[in-house]
Amino acid sequence: KQEVTQIPAALSVPEGENLVLNCSFTDSAIYNLQWFRQDPGKGLTSLLLIQSSQREQTSGRLNASLDKSSGRSTLYIAASQPGDSATYLCAVSNSGYALNFGKGTSLLVTP
Amino acid sequence: GAGVSQSPSNKVTEKGKDVELRCDPISGHTALYWYRQSLGQGLEFLIYFQGNSAPDKSGLPSDRFSAERTGGSVSTLTIQRTQQEDSAVYLCASSPDSSGSTIYFGEGSWLTVV
Repeated sequence: KQEVTQIPAALSVPEGENLVLNCSFTDSAIYNLQWFRQDPGKGLTSLLLIQSSQREQTSGRLNASLDKSSGRSTLYIAASQPGDSATYLCAVSNSGYALNFGKGTSLLVTP
Repeated sequence: GAGVSQSPSNKVTEKGKDVELRCDPISGHTALYWYRQSLGQGLEFLIYFQGNSAPDKSGLPSDRFSAERTGGSVSTLTIQRTQQEDSAVYLCASSPDSSGSTIYFGEGSWLTVV
């Protein structure tokens, strides 16, 4: 069974810092990996989708990398802003549809 | 519609009652998913529909849970004889197809069983 772990569970940084969120998974035979953002009381918003054949994806200040062989992904957030405060979830798919989620990293960016 | 729509947004029910949760996916999306998010737990896959194919029900936690999707669009998740451990946020999502494309989530139905 695919197990997804996210470290750290919580992170607090001052505005302007660059930061890295980590995700690891036990079964490297993945179809794809997605990073989501969840605001309190809200649903999930997809940030980046990395297919198994890709090494990284970028969107604005966000960059996600994928290393299948080591079972790891990182989400890099550049020049963090208070509006980035949210829970960030990593999800891995082995089937192409069902996602296995980590428990998330709760990020607080302070002004 | 503009996004995945779920109703009700909040539901409080008494233990033992049945509840129905509705999901209206993004128009044109053939794939539909239900997930559950319990307090302190990660998101848990429940069921997946793709077009007219038989659904993947492997994530449903017990036979009290069932789901259907009518006309390839709207889906209903039914929980019979609710228990307190069923209290959670039930999230619906849809995607254009099943080939690992981006998944779009609704805002969830918050279920509390008292």
